[in-house]
Amino acid sequence: EAQVTQNPRYLITVTGKKLTVTCSQNMNHEYMSWYRQDPGLGLRQIYYSMNVEVTDKGDVPEGYKVSRKEKRNFPLILESPSPNQTSLYFCASSFYRTEQFFGPGTRLTVL
Amino acid sequence: SQQGEEDPQALSIQEGENATMNCSYKTSINNLQWYRQNSGRGLVHLILIRSNEREKHSGRLRVTLDTSKKSSSLLITASRAADTASYFCATDADAGGTSYGKLTFGQGTILTVHP
Repeated sequence: EAQVTQNPRYLITVTGKKLTVTCSQNMNHEYMSWYRQDPGLGLRQIYYSMNVEVTDKGDVPEGYKVSRKEKRNFPLILESPSPNQTSLYFCASSFYRTEQFFGPGTRLTVL
Repeated sequence: SQQGEEDPQALSIQEGENATMNCSYKTSINNLQWYRQNSGRGLVHLILIRSNEREKHSGRLRVTLDTSKKSSSLLITASRAADTASYFCATDADAGGTSYGKLTFGQGTILTVHP
C-alpha cells in the first residue's frame, strides 16, 4: 500500500531533550516536506527536500533540523525542544509538482 | 505571509445543500491544490488545478481557477454529513526551478454539514 508513515504518533517530552520524528514513504517520491499545524495558524512548512541531499528551509525552520540521506526517509530533528514547539506535525511527499501525500501526523507536547 | 486565504472561515449547511469555499492568493502560481482534513488527522488531496486550467471536476467536487483575480473556488454539490471536515487550499508558487513543490497553505474553511 502506498503510504507515508510517521513515528511516533504521539510524544510527550521535556524541554531540551533531543528527539527525532521519523518519516518514510514507499512511493519513490523525490519531494518530501515537514509541516506543523497550530490552531488559528493553519499548516506552516518547516523544511522541504527536493531530492537526496537537497534540503531547504520553509517558513518556520528555527529550532528544527532535517536530513535526506535516502530517498524514502526524511527525519525531523529537534535538538533542544521548547514548549513553543508543541504542535501537530505532518510529513508529506510527492512527485514533481503533483499532489502531496500526507502522513497521519505526530502530536508533540514539550513540557 | 500566507499565500492562500480561504473564505469563509466556517460554513454550516444542511445535507443536500451545496457548499462553496473560496481561496485567494497573492503571487503567480504553477498550480493550486485543495485538501481535506478530518479533525486532527492527515490531509487528503482532493483536486489539483494548474495555472492554465480554468475548471476541474471530480465526482461531486468542482474547482475553478481565475488567475487574473488570483482566486479559486471549491464547490461541493449535494453535501453529506460525511463531508464535514476542514478544507484547505494550497498554492505551488511559480517562483523558478529551485523552489518547485513548496506548497503554501491557507488557514482553511471548517465545513459542518448537518444531517
